[in-house]
Amino acid sequence: LAKTTQPISMDSYEGQEVNITCSHNNIATNDYITWYQQFPSQGPRFIIQGYKTKVTNEVASLFIPADRKSSTLSLPRVSLSDTAVYYCLVGGYSGAGSYQLTFGKGTKLSVIP
Amino acid sequence: NAGVMQNPRHLVRRRGQEARLRCSPMKGHSHVYWYRQLPEEGLKFMVYLQKENIIDESGMPKERFSAEFPKEGPSILRIQQVVRGDSAAYFCASSLTPDSNQPQHFGDGTRLSIL
Repeated sequence: LAKTTQPISMDSYEGQEVNITCSHNNIATNDYITWYQQFPSQGPRFIIQGYKTKVTNEVASLFIPADRKSSTLSLPRVSLSDTAVYYCLVGGYSGAGSYQLTFGKGTKLSVIP
Repeated sequence: NAGVMQNPRHLVRRRGQEARLRCSPMKGHSHVYWYRQLPEEGLKFMVYLQKENIIDESGMPKERFSAEFPKEGPSILRIQQVVRGDSAAYFCASSLTPDSNQPQHFGDGTRLSIL
């Protein structure tokens, strides 16, 4: 299963763009890169998923270089409500044939007024 | 709300009792995953089920833990003879297919406390 590395914490002021970079050097050919957001006492919430180049939705953009060994989640104009833990995930097929997600400790984003 | 529903949200048990956690997947999803999260840690995979079948239980403790996903009704994670170390948040997720390009959608978890 591919392992990911991301910063433990980040601080940002309200209204700024936040970029969180994740490295996944041993990503497999069939792996997708998925980002989740988690607030205290809630389950992880799916933000965005991509395979290569750039993906954009209503809440975020995901940039993936050609070698796919890293990815960057971009949150435009963050607000206080974006304070949360962000997980970068690259799953992998287990020996039993299921696609497993492996969660690290994530990046704790604190948005400051 | 057509999201993943888990109940109860909070469950308190005394050592030695049984805990039953329920999960109803998103509408149309037949693939269910259970994860456990300890404080300040990421989620750890426990088990993956399809309707009436356990596909991968490589993350489940060998004893006291079991899971099912019957033809009708929610998926159940059952913990027998609970111990203090079972205190954690248990999350259920579901997906449309088990493939890498299908994101898993999570419920808000059951917080299990063992007295």
